[in-house]
Amino acid sequence: DTTVKQNPRYKLARVGKPVNLICSQTMNHDTMYWYQKKPNQAPKLLLFYYDKILNREADTFEKFQSSRPNNSFCSLYIGSAGLEYSAMYLCASSMGRDTGQLYFGEGSKLTVL
Amino acid sequence: QQKVQQSPESLSVPEGGMASLNCTSSDRNFQYFWWYRQHSGEGPKALMSIFSDGDKKEGRFTAHLNKASLHVSLHIRDSQPSDSALYFCAVSERRTGGYKVVFGSGTRLLVSP
Repeated sequence: DTTVKQNPRYKLARVGKPVNLICSQTMNHDTMYWYQKKPNQAPKLLLFYYDKILNREADTFEKFQSSRPNNSFCSLYIGSAGLEYSAMYLCASSMGRDTGQLYFGEGSKLTVL
Repeated sequence: QQKVQQSPESLSVPEGGMASLNCTSSDRNFQYFWWYRQHSGEGPKALMSIFSDGDKKEGRFTAHLNKASLHVSLHIRDSQPSDSALYFCAVSERRTGGYKVVFGSGTRLLVSP
């Protein structure tokens, strides 16, 4: 079963408020990713976990935090949402020893007002 | 961040026709090129990967890679209305901790009956 679940599917947040997005996978994959997707733009890699090793992109280093309490779950945390955070957030997982094939969830759509 | 450029932005072909999509990477530190397809309301799903020069065929889909120019193309023969979707090119780079996967902005394909 190649399933990646994301919650919530839709999130409405006020400017300045925190946002927490959750992702889970049942495939025992060792790597989990978070991407930000805005209309007509490429999915932007925010960070990824390989086991418990967190890799964060330099240009989003301070804007997003994440935790991975076990291999099945991964969260994405925004401490203070701004209007520019409105986007679709895509979670994906993969097996590190494979070729980098990602399995995506359906996404969490965040709207910041 | 590594750039992955896709063209065209959108493409319209008649049912039964051939669709050709293009992708170029700006970084040679990749192991695999990937093609993903996203239907509306779903997360992207992997179609196929290629890492050797030349052609790779999977059913109606053929990928062609030229490593010297860092260019990959995807050709869909006998296109069907169900092929209408957003197609992403992605490049995966092996890191000490998992694969870093970078996406292009996509080509929107419309197959008309």
